[in-house]
Amino acid sequence: GDSVTQTEGLVTLTEGLPVMLNCTYQTIYSNPFLFWYVQHLNESPRLLLKSFTDNKRTEHQGFHATLHKSSSSFHLQKSSAQLSDSALYYCALSSNNRIFFGDGTQLVVKP
Amino acid sequence: DTTVKQNPRYKLARVGKPVNLICSQTMNHDTMYWYQKKPNQAPKLLLFYYDKILNREADTFEKFQSSRPNNSFCSLYIGSAGLEYSAMYLCASSAGTGSGNTLYFGEGSRLIVV
Repeated sequence: GDSVTQTEGLVTLTEGLPVMLNCTYQTIYSNPFLFWYVQHLNESPRLLLKSFTDNKRTEHQGFHATLHKSSSSFHLQKSSAQLSDSALYYCALSSNNRIFFGDGTQLVVKP
Repeated sequence: DTTVKQNPRYKLARVGKPVNLICSQTMNHDTMYWYQKKPNQAPKLLLFYYDKILNREADTFEKFQSSRPNNSFCSLYIGSAGLEYSAMYLCASSAGTGSGNTLYFGEGSRLIVV
């Protein structure tokens, strides 16, 4: 069945360093939509960015991700982490009118 | 306004008792979802309404019921709560069920079953 894998449960890094959160997916559908949702403390999850197009970089609020269908990946990156980036990040897959989430990666950015 | 509201925010229930959670949205979205979220786990899709059509996931089919009396409201009903139902329940809405539609989440209803 459809699934999303986020290998890191917790990522801790120092402000100013690059961020990379891993996401791979599994689906039988050839045209999935992939999303990154972010949840800050005491808030509900909200969309960060999404993509449908193979090998095209998508950017929003300093973050970017590229859907690679060949490797079934949609890793989230940012060149320089900020303290305010500390949050829980979910990768999600949309297929057959359903949206499936990964377990989430908690990003902690320290001064 | 992209607000999805959930009530109650916190619910304490006894084992074997019913639980009813409410969600509302004012964005005229035709699709509303219910997810169950436990610590360190992915939000798990329980069911969703597309307009008046209810779709329930196979593995939770018998555990949860739902109703959608109008476009703005959707409920999640547990007939007899068990300890395993303790979780955060997230409601979300979207404009349609197309693959690229964004989910707008409520703040969640935290259910504790004792």
